[in-house]
Amino acid sequence: AQKITQTQPGMFVQEKEAVTLDCTYDTSDPSYGLFWYKQPSSGEMIFLIYQGSYDQQNATEGRYSLNFQKARKSANLVISASQLGDSAMYFCAMRDQLSGYSTLTFGKGTMLLVSP
Amino acid sequence: DAGVIQSPRHEVTEMGQEVTLRCKPISGHNSLFWYRQTMMRGLELLIYFNNNVPIDDSGMPEDRFSAKMPNASFSTLKIQPSEPRDSAVYFCASSLDQGAGDYGYTFGSGTRLTVV
Repeated sequence: AQKITQTQPGMFVQEKEAVTLDCTYDTSDPSYGLFWYKQPSSGEMIFLIYQGSYDQQNATEGRYSLNFQKARKSANLVISASQLGDSAMYFCAMRDQLSGYSTLTFGKGTMLLVSP
Repeated sequence: DAGVIQSPRHEVTEMGQEVTLRCKPISGHNSLFWYRQTMMRGLELLIYFNNNVPIDDSGMPEDRFSAKMPNASFSTLKIQPSEPRDSAVYFCASSLDQGAGDYGYTFGSGTRLTVV
């Protein structure tokens, strides 16, 4: 079973608008972490934001926020006031310890294109 | 901190040749990961080291792949013999695994391998 699902292969947004990138996950571990990474065309993986399963508040980092809905097992990334430089591939990832140790499992990614 | 350093950035080799990818993790990090990224399969975990010991190598595709971590500051991923289907971007990442709490991975810039 796929642990991380990103259903949007591509998203388009106009500059200065907000955009939501979807992510759902599947785990039976009560303690887990959710991450979002950005991969621009240059190829590097850039950590954006983290949400712990026990965190009461939704995580925020500047223009990035994570809409964490635990009952729905979703962890959507919201980017406010999009900029041209936000055009990139975005990956949702989860860390749990069901396998006995902790590693990150990534979704397939969503390509975001920001237009002027 | 210089971050996770991978070399080479690009590698083009002929089928059948041996390829060695190198990684220097962030000083003080105790976990190291090798991932492979392809269009078809996304980001796949190949192997995970904790305190220089291989913990999980179930993602290593076959016996042609091997990885070592002789000390805390260096790891190699070797493919021998290489095949065209090994063409991918190989990422090394490191983290500080304290057993609890949030921690993310810091990725290197990746090695783009092309086997012709």
